[in-house]
Amino acid sequence: QVQLQESGPGLLKPSETLSLTCTVSGGSINNYYWTWLRQPPGKGLEWIGYIYYSGSTNYNPSLRSRVTISVDTSKNQFSLRLNSVTAADTAIYFCARVYVVVPHGYHYYYMDVWGKGTTVTVSS
Amino acid sequence: DIQMTQSPSSLSASVGDRVTITCRASQRIGTYLYWYQQKPGKAPKLLIYAASSLQSGVPSRFSGSGSGTDFTLTISSLQPEDFATYYCQQSYSTTWTFGQGTKVEIK
Repeated sequence: QVQLQESGPGLLKPSETLSLTCTVSGGSINNYYWTWLRQPPGKGLEWIGYIYYSGSTNYNPSLRSRVTISVDTSKNQFSLRLNSVTAADTAIYFCARVYVVVPHGYHYYYMDVWGKGTTVTVSS
Repeated sequence: DIQMTQSPSSLSASVGDRVTITCRASQRIGTYLYWYQQKPGKAPKLLIYAASSLQSGVPSRFSGSGSGTDFTLTISSLQPEDFATYYCQQSYSTTWTFGQGTKVEIK
């Protein structure tokens, strides 16, 4: 079955750029939406943004000025870049597949497969 | 953004109890509501989509209901493996948002 694995540096200094990659195995990245989420220590989930395999994106307005999500279909990977990080960006970062069902013309988007998450700490 | 508010924030229950968690949206969201379960150190797991549809492989003791602004997740008979944190999430708006979570603990 489809599996996702996040990878990237776990420790950053303030003002640096966070770069993470999610590798999709056991299935194709094509024809799906893919998303990034994060969870600060001891807190709830925050949606960062998603990308369609064709490259169209949608970002959380709270992060839009600093976020870029990209996709490389040849490598079956998608990536997250977050600029100018601060301590507030310290979190577990998850990648996930977005599944879409369309009953009676209504589009439901939900995360059905998740990576295990990777911890990113921002500290000087 | 649409605010999602869960209640309670935490609860203590015994194995076999019926548990209900509520999620309220700050505006009407139809049935664009999902429930996830998260255990410590693990990624969230989808339980319910479209407010009341059970995800494949999820035990039938989990059920969801509601539409508009008020939603519930019910566990009909709590099992030891159900002790976890539960989150609701909406996709009605283009900015997806989560509730703050409800932690279900052992009494």
